[in-house]
Amino acid sequence: TQLLEQSPQFLSIQEGENLTVYCNSSSVFSSLQWYRQEPGEGPVLLVTVVTGGEVKKLKRLTFQFGDARKDSSLHITAAQPGDTGLYLCAGYRSGTYKYIFGTGTRLKVLA
Amino acid sequence: DADVTQTPRNRITKTGKRIMLECSQTKGHDRMYWYRQDPGLGLQLIYYSFDVKDINKGEISDGYSVSRQAQAKFSLSLESAIPNQTALYFCATRGLASDTQYFGPGTRLTVL
Repeated sequence: TQLLEQSPQFLSIQEGENLTVYCNSSSVFSSLQWYRQEPGEGPVLLVTVVTGGEVKKLKRLTFQFGDARKDSSLHITAAQPGDTGLYLCAGYRSGTYKYIFGTGTRLKVLA
Repeated sequence: DADVTQTPRNRITKTGKRIMLECSQTKGHDRMYWYRQDPGLGLQLIYYSFDVKDINKGEISDGYSVSRQAQAKFSLSLESAIPNQTALYFCATRGLASDTQYFGPGTRLTVL
Protein backbone atom coordinates (compact mmCIF):
# COMPACT_ATOMS: atom_id res chain seq x y z
CA THR A 1 0.00 0.00 0.00
CA GLN A 2 1.39 3.35 -1.05
CA LEU A 3 1.53 5.82 1.82
CA LEU A 4 2.27 9.44 2.44
CA GLU A 5 5.17 9.92 4.83
CA GLN A 6 4.16 11.81 7.90
CA SER A 7 6.58 13.15 10.46
CA PRO A 8 6.97 13.04 13.31
CA GLN A 9 5.11 9.84 14.15
CA PHE A 10 4.72 10.82 17.80
CA LEU A 11 4.88 14.18 19.51
CA SER A 12 4.41 15.02 23.17
CA ILE A 13 4.55 18.70 24.08
CA GLN A 14 3.54 21.09 26.82
CA GLU A 15 0.50 23.32 26.56
CA GLY A 16 1.38 26.61 24.89
CA GLU A 17 4.14 25.25 22.65
CA ASN A 18 4.08 25.43 18.86
CA LEU A 19 4.50 22.43 16.56
CA THR A 20 4.60 21.48 12.90
CA VAL A 21 3.58 18.20 11.30
CA TYR A 22 4.78 17.29 7.82
CA CYS A 23 3.22 15.18 5.07
CA ASN A 24 5.52 14.28 2.17
CA SER A 25 5.26 12.34 -1.07
CA SER A 26 7.02 11.99 -4.40
CA SER A 27 3.63 12.08 -6.12
CA VAL A 28 1.61 15.09 -7.22
CA PHE A 29 -1.89 15.42 -5.79
CA SER A 30 -4.84 17.43 -7.02
CA SER A 31 -5.85 18.01 -3.41
CA LEU A 32 -4.86 17.07 0.09
CA GLN A 33 -6.98 16.68 3.21
CA TRP A 34 -6.04 16.88 6.87
CA TYR A 35 -8.07 14.99 9.47
CA ARG A 36 -7.97 14.63 13.25
CA GLN A 37 -9.00 11.34 14.79
CA GLU A 38 -9.88 10.65 18.42
CA PRO A 39 -9.45 7.14 19.85
CA GLY A 40 -12.29 4.87 18.74
CA GLU A 41 -13.77 7.50 16.42
CA GLY A 42 -13.65 8.29 12.73
CA PRO A 43 -11.36 10.87 11.15
CA VAL A 44 -12.90 14.34 11.24
CA LEU A 45 -12.06 16.69 8.39
CA LEU A 46 -10.03 19.76 9.30
CA VAL A 47 -9.25 21.22 5.88
CA THR A 48 -8.86 20.52 2.16
CA VAL A 49 -6.14 22.31 0.20
CA VAL A 50 -6.23 22.29 -3.59
CA THR A 51 -3.88 24.96 -4.97
CA GLY A 52 -0.08 24.78 -4.93
CA GLY A 53 1.25 27.18 -2.31
CA GLU A 54 -2.15 27.58 -0.70
CA VAL A 55 -2.27 28.52 2.97
CA LYS A 56 -5.41 28.02 5.05
CA LYS A 57 -5.94 29.01 8.65
CA LEU A 58 -8.37 27.44 11.08
CA LYS A 59 -8.07 29.32 14.39
CA ARG A 60 -4.65 28.23 15.75
CA LEU A 61 -4.05 25.74 12.93
CA THR A 62 -2.27 26.76 9.72
CA PHE A 63 -2.17 24.42 6.74
CA GLN A 64 0.08 24.81 3.72
CA PHE A 65 0.11 22.92 0.43
CA GLY A 66 3.51 22.76 -1.25
CA ASP A 67 4.07 24.70 -4.46
CA ALA A 68 4.48 21.45 -6.40
CA ARG A 69 1.47 19.85 -4.64
CA LYS A 70 3.58 16.96 -3.34
CA ASP A 71 3.70 17.90 0.31
CA SER A 72 1.86 19.72 3.04
CA SER A 73 2.37 20.95 6.57
CA LEU A 74 0.19 21.59 9.58
CA HIS A 75 1.36 24.15 12.12
CA ILE A 76 -0.35 24.51 15.50
CA THR A 77 0.26 27.65 17.52
CA ALA A 78 -0.02 27.60 21.31
CA ALA A 79 -1.15 23.98 21.50
CA GLN A 80 -3.89 23.07 23.96
CA PRO A 81 -4.81 19.70 25.52
CA GLY A 82 -7.88 19.65 23.26
CA ASP A 83 -5.54 19.39 20.26
CA THR A 84 -4.52 15.90 21.40
CA GLY A 85 -5.26 13.25 18.80
CA LEU A 86 -4.09 11.46 15.67
CA TYR A 87 -3.53 13.77 12.70
CA LEU A 88 -3.86 12.19 9.26
CA CYS A 89 -3.14 13.58 5.83
CA ALA A 90 -4.70 12.14 2.68
CA GLY A 91 -3.79 12.97 -0.90
CA TYR A 92 -6.11 12.62 -3.88
CA ARG A 93 -5.34 12.45 -7.60
CA SER A 94 -8.07 13.72 -9.86
CA GLY A 95 -9.38 11.08 -12.23
CA THR A 96 -8.54 8.17 -9.93
CA TYR A 97 -10.62 6.58 -7.22
CA LYS A 98 -7.73 6.50 -4.85
CA TYR A 99 -6.78 8.41 -1.74
CA ILE A 100 -3.27 7.94 -0.39
CA PHE A 101 -3.18 8.16 3.40
CA GLY A 102 -0.37 8.99 5.76
CA THR A 103 0.29 6.74 8.75
CA GLY A 104 -0.50 9.61 11.07
CA THR A 105 1.08 11.79 13.71
CA ARG A 106 -0.01 11.07 17.25
CA LEU A 107 0.02 14.32 19.23
CA LYS A 108 -0.29 14.60 22.98
CA VAL A 109 -0.51 18.03 24.58
CA LEU A 110 0.15 18.05 28.31
CA ALA A 111 -1.55 20.57 30.58
CA ASP B 1 -27.59 13.97 13.60
CA ALA B 2 -24.43 12.58 12.08
CA ASP B 3 -24.20 12.66 8.29
CA VAL B 4 -22.49 9.26 8.08
CA THR B 5 -23.52 6.54 10.53
CA GLN B 6 -22.19 3.04 11.05
CA THR B 7 -23.67 0.09 12.90
CA PRO B 8 -22.69 -1.62 15.03
CA ARG B 9 -20.04 0.50 16.74
CA ASN B 10 -18.44 -2.50 18.39
CA ARG B 11 -18.65 -6.20 17.61
CA ILE B 12 -16.97 -9.26 18.98
CA THR B 13 -17.39 -12.46 17.02
CA LYS B 14 -15.83 -15.87 16.57
CA THR B 15 -13.77 -17.30 13.75
CA GLY B 16 -15.95 -18.57 10.91
CA LYS B 17 -18.98 -16.41 11.64
CA ARG B 18 -20.58 -14.20 9.01
CA ILE B 19 -20.64 -10.53 9.92
CA MET B 20 -22.29 -7.53 8.29
CA LEU B 21 -21.30 -3.93 8.95
CA GLU B 22 -23.69 -1.25 7.80
CA CYS B 23 -23.18 2.33 6.67
CA SER B 24 -25.81 4.99 6.00
CA GLN B 25 -25.39 8.56 4.87
CA THR B 26 -27.62 11.61 4.59
CA LYS B 27 -25.17 13.71 2.60
CA GLY B 28 -26.64 12.72 -0.76
CA HIS B 29 -23.23 11.59 -1.98
CA ASP B 30 -22.90 9.08 -4.79
CA ARG B 31 -19.49 7.75 -3.83
CA MET B 32 -19.01 5.48 -0.84
CA TYR B 33 -15.95 3.67 0.47
CA TRP B 34 -15.01 1.01 3.02
CA TYR B 35 -11.63 1.14 4.76
CA ARG B 36 -9.92 -0.77 7.51
CA GLN B 37 -7.43 0.81 9.88
CA ASP B 38 -4.67 -1.11 11.60
CA PRO B 39 -2.01 0.45 13.83
CA GLY B 40 0.97 1.61 11.80
CA LEU B 41 -0.62 0.75 8.44
CA GLY B 42 -2.83 3.72 7.83
CA LEU B 43 -6.20 3.39 6.13
CA GLN B 44 -6.49 0.63 3.54
CA LEU B 45 -9.25 0.60 0.93
CA ILE B 46 -11.44 -2.53 0.87
CA TYR B 47 -14.19 -1.63 -1.63
CA TYR B 48 -15.62 1.48 -3.23
CA SER B 49 -18.80 2.33 -5.08
CA PHE B 50 -19.48 5.26 -7.38
CA ASP B 51 -23.21 4.57 -7.58
CA VAL B 52 -25.70 1.79 -6.87
CA LYS B 53 -24.67 -0.20 -9.95
CA ASP B 54 -20.94 0.42 -9.74
CA ILE B 55 -18.92 -1.53 -7.16
CA ASN B 56 -15.17 -2.00 -7.28
CA LYS B 57 -12.51 -3.86 -5.34
CA GLY B 58 -9.91 -1.92 -3.43
CA GLU B 59 -6.45 -2.97 -2.31
CA ILE B 60 -7.49 -5.58 0.26
CA SER B 61 -10.84 -7.01 -0.85
CA ASP B 62 -10.07 -10.70 -0.24
CA GLY B 63 -12.36 -12.11 2.44
CA TYR B 64 -14.84 -9.23 2.13
CA SER B 65 -17.93 -8.49 0.05
CA VAL B 66 -20.19 -5.45 -0.22
CA SER B 67 -23.71 -4.49 -1.15
CA ARG B 68 -24.94 -1.05 -2.23
CA GLN B 69 -28.62 -1.31 -1.38
CA ALA B 70 -29.40 2.31 -2.19
CA GLN B 71 -27.55 5.54 -2.77
CA ALA B 72 -27.50 6.09 0.98
CA LYS B 73 -26.57 2.58 2.14
CA PHE B 74 -23.40 0.56 1.68
CA SER B 75 -22.82 -2.66 3.64
CA LEU B 76 -19.63 -4.63 4.18
CA SER B 77 -19.75 -8.39 4.86
CA LEU B 78 -17.18 -10.78 6.17
CA GLU B 79 -18.37 -14.16 4.91
CA SER B 80 -16.24 -16.19 7.30
CA ALA B 81 -14.43 -14.00 9.79
CA ILE B 82 -10.83 -14.71 10.75
CA PRO B 83 -8.72 -13.21 13.56
CA ASN B 84 -6.54 -11.08 11.25
CA GLN B 85 -9.69 -9.20 10.24
CA THR B 86 -9.72 -7.68 13.71
CA ALA B 87 -9.49 -3.95 13.01
CA LEU B 88 -11.31 -0.63 12.94
CA TYR B 89 -13.59 -0.35 9.91
CA PHE B 90 -14.63 2.99 8.45
CA CYS B 91 -17.17 3.98 5.87
CA ALA B 92 -16.63 7.22 3.94
CA THR B 93 -18.56 9.22 1.38
CA ARG B 94 -17.65 11.76 -1.26
CA GLY B 95 -19.71 14.07 -3.40
CA LEU B 96 -19.19 14.41 -7.13
CA ALA B 97 -18.10 18.03 -6.98
CA SER B 98 -15.48 17.68 -4.25
CA ASP B 99 -12.31 15.71 -3.51
CA THR B 100 -13.14 15.55 0.18
CA GLN B 101 -14.14 12.34 1.93
CA TYR B 102 -16.29 12.33 5.05
CA PHE B 103 -15.91 9.44 7.46
CA GLY B 104 -18.32 7.61 9.72
CA PRO B 105 -17.53 6.96 13.40
CA GLY B 106 -16.22 3.47 12.73
CA THR B 107 -16.86 -0.11 13.83
CA ARG B 108 -14.40 -1.85 16.10
CA LEU B 109 -14.46 -5.51 15.10
CA THR B 110 -12.77 -8.23 17.13
CA VAL B 111 -12.59 -11.77 15.75
CA LEU B 112 -11.68 -14.37 18.35
